[in-house]
Amino acid sequence: SQELEQSPQSLIVQEGKNLTINCTSSKTLYGLYWYKQKYGEGLIFLMMLQKGGEEKSHEKITAKLDEKKQQSSLHITASQPSHAGIYLCGADRGDKLIFGTGTRLQVFP
Amino acid sequence: EPEVTQTPSHQVTQMGQEVILRCVPISNHLYFYWYRQILGQKVEFLVSFYNNEISEKSEIFDDQFSVERPDGSNFTLKIRSTKLEDSAMYFCASSQQGIRNQPQHFGDGTRLSIL
Repeated sequence: SQELEQSPQSLIVQEGKNLTINCTSSKTLYGLYWYKQKYGEGLIFLMMLQKGGEEKSHEKITAKLDEKKQQSSLHITASQPSHAGIYLCGADRGDKLIFGTGTRLQVFP
Repeated sequence: EPEVTQTPSHQVTQMGQEVILRCVPISNHLYFYWYRQILGQKVEFLVSFYNNEISEKSEIFDDQFSVERPDGSNFTLKIRSTKLEDSAMYFCASSQQGIRNQPQHFGDGTRLSIL
């Protein structure tokens, strides 16, 4: 099994709808990072969470880390076509990041 | 906004040949990383580098791989004798401090195709 599991694997939503992506770790998370990857391009840093219960928002994206620090969620409010891409969660494991399997998001008009 | 730049964007090489992938990290960053992503798979850690030495490396980073910071700005990944399974997108990343303090910023990647 994977150390970091993301769900769902893919998501197709209509523009304007809200959505949530989950990231579950088999180990305690000392730092959880969310990145967005456009097809065939690099990873764009979105947010970093480090404390249990922490929540951060940027524009229409909100990320939370649960109190037990084993699960994080990414919520997008009123989705837009610009939100389309692959969302990756990454766990701090010392000198490296371990990434989840990714969630592919498509937003249609 | 400062960014990590990688060259070339696409490299096609014959199996068995040496290849060097180049990266220019963000100028005040001290920690450097290489990751790879085989088509359709997860982003995988290869190596981290700090203070002119490797801090950690994965099982993938065997004797065929090496990293170097030849001057104050470049950070390179060398694959000595490429194999078909080395075909992947290679990402360079840098951070100002260690992972637990600052996020890693990624370049757009080099797509390596081994024939």
